[in-house]
Amino acid sequence: GQQVMQIPQYQHVQEGEDFTTYCNSSTTLSNIQWYKQRPGGHPVFLIQLVKSGEVKKQKRLTFQFGEAKKNSSLHITATQTTDVGTYFCAGMGMSTSYGKLTFGQGTILTVHP
Amino acid sequence: GAGVSQSPSNKVTEKGKDVELRCDPISGHTALYWYRQSLGQGLEFLIYFQGNSAPDKSGLPSDRFSAERTGGSVSTLTIQRTQQEDSAVYLCASSWLGGITGELFFGEGSRLTVL
Repeated sequence: GQQVMQIPQYQHVQEGEDFTTYCNSSTTLSNIQWYKQRPGGHPVFLIQLVKSGEVKKQKRLTFQFGEAKKNSSLHITATQTTDVGTYFCAGMGMSTSYGKLTFGQGTILTVHP
Repeated sequence: GAGVSQSPSNKVTEKGKDVELRCDPISGHTALYWYRQSLGQGLEFLIYFQGNSAPDKSGLPSDRFSAERTGGSVSTLTIQRTQQEDSAVYLCASSWLGGITGELFFGEGSRLTVL
Protein backbone atom coordinates (compact mmCIF):
# COMPACT_ATOMS: atom_id res chain seq x y z
CA GLY A 1 0.00 0.00 0.00
CA GLN A 2 0.91 3.64 -0.09
CA GLN A 3 3.75 4.69 2.18
CA VAL A 4 4.83 8.16 3.18
CA MET A 5 8.31 8.53 4.61
CA GLN A 6 9.40 11.60 6.49
CA ILE A 7 12.89 12.65 7.54
CA PRO A 8 14.53 13.50 9.78
CA GLN A 9 12.77 11.95 12.76
CA TYR A 10 14.30 14.50 15.13
CA GLN A 11 15.85 17.92 14.63
CA HIS A 12 17.46 20.09 17.28
CA VAL A 13 18.28 23.67 16.32
CA GLN A 14 19.36 26.85 17.98
CA GLU A 15 16.85 29.65 17.85
CA GLY A 16 17.41 31.60 14.65
CA GLU A 17 18.64 28.63 12.63
CA ASP A 18 16.68 27.25 9.71
CA PHE A 19 14.86 23.91 9.69
CA THR A 20 13.68 21.61 6.92
CA THR A 21 11.68 18.40 6.96
CA TYR A 22 11.23 16.19 3.92
CA CYS A 23 8.42 13.91 2.89
CA ASN A 24 8.53 11.18 0.22
CA SER A 25 5.70 9.04 -1.06
CA SER A 26 6.00 5.63 -2.67
CA THR A 27 3.25 6.63 -5.12
CA THR A 28 2.08 9.76 -6.90
CA LEU A 29 -0.12 11.94 -4.73
CA SER A 30 -3.18 13.94 -5.64
CA ASN A 31 -2.34 16.38 -2.88
CA ILE A 32 -0.29 16.70 0.28
CA GLN A 33 -1.10 18.36 3.57
CA TRP A 34 1.06 19.51 6.45
CA TYR A 35 0.14 19.51 10.12
CA LYS A 36 1.76 20.77 13.31
CA GLN A 37 1.31 19.15 16.70
CA ARG A 38 2.41 21.15 19.71
CA PRO A 39 3.59 19.18 22.74
CA GLY A 40 0.54 17.82 24.55
CA GLY A 41 -1.78 18.92 21.76
CA HIS A 42 -3.39 17.44 18.69
CA PRO A 43 -2.34 17.91 15.05
CA VAL A 44 -3.50 21.14 13.47
CA PHE A 45 -3.73 21.72 9.73
CA LEU A 46 -1.18 24.11 8.24
CA ILE A 47 -1.57 23.93 4.47
CA GLN A 48 -2.46 21.83 1.44
CA LEU A 49 -0.50 21.61 -1.82
CA VAL A 50 -2.19 20.32 -4.94
CA LYS A 51 -0.27 21.35 -8.05
CA SER A 52 2.97 19.90 -9.35
CA GLY A 53 5.87 22.15 -8.33
CA GLU A 54 3.67 24.28 -6.12
CA VAL A 55 5.31 26.55 -3.56
CA LYS A 56 3.37 28.25 -0.80
CA LYS A 57 4.56 30.53 1.98
CA GLN A 58 3.15 31.34 5.38
CA LYS A 59 5.34 33.96 7.03
CA ARG A 60 8.58 32.08 7.87
CA LEU A 61 7.27 28.73 6.57
CA THR A 62 7.78 27.64 2.96
CA PHE A 63 6.07 24.54 1.59
CA GLN A 64 7.01 22.84 -1.68
CA PHE A 65 5.41 20.05 -3.69
CA GLY A 66 7.68 18.18 -6.06
CA GLU A 67 7.29 18.17 -9.82
CA ALA A 68 6.43 14.47 -9.79
CA LYS A 69 4.00 14.98 -6.90
CA LYS A 70 5.80 12.33 -4.87
CA ASN A 71 7.73 14.51 -2.47
CA SER A 72 7.32 17.64 -0.42
CA SER A 73 9.23 19.77 2.02
CA LEU A 74 8.59 22.26 4.77
CA HIS A 75 11.24 24.87 5.47
CA ILE A 76 11.20 27.21 8.44
CA THR A 77 13.44 30.26 8.29
CA ALA A 78 14.94 31.66 11.50
CA THR A 79 13.24 29.30 13.92
CA GLN A 80 11.63 30.59 17.09
CA THR A 81 10.79 28.75 20.29
CA THR A 82 7.13 28.87 19.25
CA ASP A 83 8.00 26.57 16.33
CA VAL A 84 8.60 23.67 18.73
CA GLY A 85 6.46 20.63 17.97
CA THR A 86 6.04 17.73 15.61
CA TYR A 87 5.48 18.40 11.93
CA PHE A 88 3.59 15.81 9.90
CA CYS A 89 3.03 15.52 6.20
CA ALA A 90 -0.02 13.63 4.97
CA GLY A 91 -0.49 12.49 1.41
CA MET A 92 -3.69 11.69 -0.43
CA GLY A 93 -3.04 8.96 -2.95
CA MET A 94 -4.69 8.44 -6.27
CA SER A 95 -5.43 4.76 -5.93
CA THR A 96 -6.09 4.26 -2.24
CA SER A 97 -9.41 4.48 -0.47
CA TYR A 98 -11.12 7.62 -1.73
CA GLY A 99 -9.96 10.66 0.17
CA LYS A 100 -7.76 8.72 2.59
CA LEU A 101 -4.75 10.57 3.96
CA THR A 102 -1.57 8.68 4.83
CA PHE A 103 0.62 10.38 7.41
CA GLY A 104 4.39 10.41 7.57
CA GLN A 105 6.09 9.54 10.84
CA GLY A 106 6.60 13.18 11.71
CA THR A 107 9.65 15.30 12.52
CA ILE A 108 10.05 16.41 16.12
CA LEU A 109 11.55 19.89 16.21
CA THR A 110 13.28 21.21 19.30
CA VAL A 111 14.42 24.83 19.37
CA HIS A 112 17.02 25.86 21.93
CA PRO A 113 16.82 29.52 23.00
CA GLY B 1 -20.13 21.83 19.43
CA ALA B 2 -18.02 23.33 16.71
CA GLY B 3 -15.17 20.85 16.86
CA VAL B 4 -14.52 17.12 17.02
CA SER B 5 -15.47 15.83 20.42
CA GLN B 6 -13.98 12.70 21.98
CA SER B 7 -14.88 10.92 25.18
CA PRO B 8 -13.65 9.95 27.62
CA SER B 9 -10.62 12.22 27.69
CA ASN B 10 -8.89 9.80 30.03
CA LYS B 11 -9.54 6.15 30.67
CA VAL B 12 -7.69 3.87 33.06
CA THR B 13 -8.58 0.22 32.85
CA GLU B 14 -7.31 -3.14 33.93
CA LYS B 15 -5.74 -5.59 31.57
CA GLY B 16 -8.36 -7.85 30.02
CA LYS B 17 -11.24 -5.39 30.28
CA ASP B 18 -13.08 -3.98 27.25
CA VAL B 19 -13.15 -0.25 26.52
CA GLU B 20 -15.20 1.96 24.24
CA LEU B 21 -14.00 5.29 22.94
CA ARG B 22 -16.42 7.71 21.35
CA CYS B 23 -15.99 10.32 18.66
CA ASP B 24 -18.47 13.01 17.65
CA PRO B 25 -17.24 14.47 14.36
CA ILE B 26 -18.04 17.92 13.04
CA SER B 27 -21.58 17.96 11.69
CA GLY B 28 -21.68 17.26 7.97
CA HIS B 29 -18.20 15.76 7.77
CA THR B 30 -18.31 12.61 5.69
CA ALA B 31 -14.84 11.27 6.44
CA LEU B 32 -13.76 10.02 9.86
CA TYR B 33 -10.44 8.55 10.97
CA TRP B 34 -9.13 6.88 14.07
CA TYR B 35 -5.43 7.09 14.87
CA ARG B 36 -3.33 5.84 17.75
CA GLN B 37 -0.37 7.78 19.09
CA SER B 38 2.05 6.45 21.65
CA LEU B 39 4.19 8.87 23.66
CA GLY B 40 6.59 10.72 21.41
CA GLN B 41 5.59 8.68 18.38
CA GLY B 42 3.81 9.34 15.12
CA LEU B 43 0.22 8.75 14.11
CA GLU B 44 -0.66 5.10 13.63
CA PHE B 45 -3.62 4.77 11.28
CA LEU B 46 -6.37 2.48 12.56
CA ILE B 47 -9.52 2.86 10.48
CA TYR B 48 -11.11 5.21 7.93
CA PHE B 49 -14.81 5.78 7.26
CA GLN B 50 -15.93 7.68 4.17
CA GLY B 51 -19.62 8.25 3.60
CA ASN B 52 -21.50 5.04 2.95
CA SER B 53 -18.47 3.17 1.64
CA ALA B 54 -17.11 0.13 3.42
CA PRO B 55 -14.60 1.28 6.03
CA ASP B 56 -10.88 0.87 5.43
CA LYS B 57 -9.88 -1.32 8.35
CA SER B 58 -6.37 -2.02 7.16
CA GLY B 59 -4.75 -0.34 10.16
CA LEU B 60 -6.49 -2.25 12.95
CA PRO B 61 -3.67 -4.06 14.79
CA SER B 62 -5.66 -7.13 15.83
CA ASP B 63 -9.16 -8.56 15.92
CA ARG B 64 -9.51 -7.14 19.42
CA PHE B 65 -10.03 -3.76 17.79
CA SER B 66 -13.24 -2.79 16.04
CA ALA B 67 -15.04 0.41 15.14
CA GLU B 68 -18.39 1.43 13.87
CA ARG B 69 -19.96 4.60 12.68
CA THR B 70 -23.68 4.94 13.19
CA GLY B 71 -25.80 7.05 10.89
CA GLY B 72 -22.74 8.49 9.22
CA SER B 73 -21.98 10.51 12.33
CA VAL B 74 -20.85 9.27 15.75
CA SER B 75 -18.15 6.62 15.83
CA THR B 76 -17.17 4.19 18.54
CA LEU B 77 -13.80 2.43 18.75
CA THR B 78 -13.95 -0.73 20.84
CA ILE B 79 -10.94 -2.54 22.24
CA GLN B 80 -11.66 -5.95 23.69
CA ARG B 81 -9.50 -7.72 26.27
CA THR B 82 -7.17 -4.75 26.58
CA GLN B 83 -3.43 -5.29 26.84
CA GLN B 84 -0.77 -3.00 28.28
CA GLU B 85 0.57 -2.30 24.79
CA ASP B 86 -2.82 -0.76 23.94
CA SER B 87 -1.95 2.20 26.20
CA ALA B 88 -1.81 5.29 24.00
CA VAL B 89 -3.73 8.36 22.97
CA TYR B 90 -6.49 7.55 20.52
CA LEU B 91 -7.20 10.43 18.17
CA CYS B 92 -10.28 10.88 16.04
CA ALA B 93 -10.36 13.23 13.06
CA SER B 94 -13.02 14.22 10.56
CA SER B 95 -13.14 16.06 7.29
CA TRP B 96 -15.47 17.07 4.49
CA LEU B 97 -13.97 16.00 1.21
CA GLY B 98 -16.19 18.41 -0.63
CA GLY B 99 -14.51 21.34 1.06
CA ILE B 100 -11.70 23.50 -0.26
CA THR B 101 -8.88 21.60 1.37
CA GLY B 102 -10.30 18.38 2.83
CA GLU B 103 -8.28 19.19 5.92
CA LEU B 104 -8.59 16.99 8.95
CA PHE B 105 -9.94 18.36 12.19
CA PHE B 106 -8.68 16.41 15.17
CA GLY B 107 -10.28 15.89 18.53
CA GLU B 108 -8.33 16.28 21.75
CA GLY B 109 -7.93 12.53 22.00
CA SER B 110 -8.73 9.82 24.51
CA ARG B 111 -5.78 8.80 26.65
CA LEU B 112 -6.02 5.09 27.45
CA THR B 113 -3.94 3.55 30.21
CA VAL B 114 -4.05 -0.20 30.68
CA LEU B 115 -2.72 -1.36 34.02
